[in-house]
Amino acid sequence: GESVGLHLPTLSVQEGDNSIINCAYSNSASDYFIWYKQESGKGPQFIIDIRSNMDKRQGQRVTVLLNKTVKHLSLQIAATQPGDSAVYFCAEKEGGATNKLIFGTGTLLAVQP
Amino acid sequence: ETGVTQSPTHLIKTRGQQVTLRCSSQSGHNTVSWYQQALGQGPQFIFQYYREEENGRGNFPPRFSGLQFPNYSSELNVNALELDDSALYLCASSLHNRVSRNTEAFFGQGTRLTVV
Repeated sequence: GESVGLHLPTLSVQEGDNSIINCAYSNSASDYFIWYKQESGKGPQFIIDIRSNMDKRQGQRVTVLLNKTVKHLSLQIAATQPGDSAVYFCAEKEGGATNKLIFGTGTLLAVQP
Repeated sequence: ETGVTQSPTHLIKTRGQQVTLRCSSQSGHNTVSWYQQALGQGPQFIFQYYREEENGRGNFPPRFSGLQFPNYSSELNVNALELDDSALYLCASSLHNRVSRNTEAFFGQGTRLTVV
């Protein structure tokens, strides 16, 4: 069946440290993956995406790694800041015309000052 | 801000009533998807609209229906509301074209629906 799961429901880091949020997916037909950040009372905010023909993509302070062999996705945040505190979701999209995203349950990132 | 706007932001309804939620997509986007997010969970796909037609549906009953208008805005209608329908309803817009098929989806702030 379809599922996207996260290994750690809560991650606590010190300000300035690097954060790594992990995600496992089960659908080998998925061809597109997105990381979203959701702050309390707000909608999910797009962070970074990666297509299945890539294994790494970098943005500003963030890097997404995709390992299709073990169906694993990770989000790395460099020099974590208090403003990074939020729930992070990975989402996968199956190949096809419908832009249906399958979300996991999320990881709460708590940045300690 | 994403440019995706939803209204209203909060709504309280009684069990058995009907509700309509609205979404304006980001400029240049032609596809709208609706998601339900229960407290403490990830968003669940309800359905998607493209060219004013439903283009994919998740595991939701027929009392969840929608519309897309020529300007790409969309409505989500829920009939015969149940207590379990209480959730954050999110709208996401994206661009579907022949080349990229689908671009990244940008979400609105959501409508918090409470059914009592």
